[in-house]
Amino acid sequence: DVKVTQSSRYLVKRTGEKVFLECVQDMDHENMFWYRQDPGLGLRLIYFSYDVKMKEKGDIPEGYSVSREKKERFSLILESASTNQTSMYLCASSATGTANEKLFFGSGTQLSVL
Amino acid sequence: GQQLNQSPQSMFIQEGEDVSMNCTSSSIFNTWLWYKQDPGEGPVLLIALYKAGELTSNGRLTAQFGITRKDSFLNISASIPSDVGIYFCAGQLLGSWGKLQFGAGTQVVVTP
Repeated sequence: DVKVTQSSRYLVKRTGEKVFLECVQDMDHENMFWYRQDPGLGLRLIYFSYDVKMKEKGDIPEGYSVSREKKERFSLILESASTNQTSMYLCASSATGTANEKLFFGSGTQLSVL
Repeated sequence: GQQLNQSPQSMFIQEGEDVSMNCTSSSIFNTWLWYKQDPGEGPVLLIALYKAGELTSNGRLTAQFGITRKDSFLNISASIPSDVGIYFCAGQLLGSWGKLQFGAGTQVVVTP
């Protein structure tokens, strides 16, 4: 069964901390994405990557960075966490080519910044 | 990003009822998709639509790609308790390569 695994289900961090959210996929997908989900706003794209060491800004990249050193792993980094980054974070992957719009999501990481 | 307007925001329905929800936009989309998110899980793809006017079914679910390419509809027939969750529409703009815009979601609650 295909799988996108996010390392933590719940995280509680303090304002100003550096936060790492990790995501691993086992489907050999080229494309990986980070979204945040907030009530009433749906899913908003933070960053995406279509290849190792490649990254592109999504719609709300401010305050975030990403790292993709290996094909299967895509990390989201909050350099200095702030309370407005409290949210559910969802990682997703997709194959290149005709099926690139079909995203496979992880179960999410609920991040609380105090 | 582009705005997708999804309605209704929430629905409380009785088991056995049919459910309808829709998504509209001012932009023309190349692809429309519908995802479902169960409580505590990530969204899962239900249906993908690729042509204007296309009508596609997946079990009790039926979705349509609007003729204008600016809207899409999802219907669930004869709802059951496991239909509870959040349903998201998503659209892909022509040339946007795998990047999706998501609606705000429709929360569905099914009562026995």
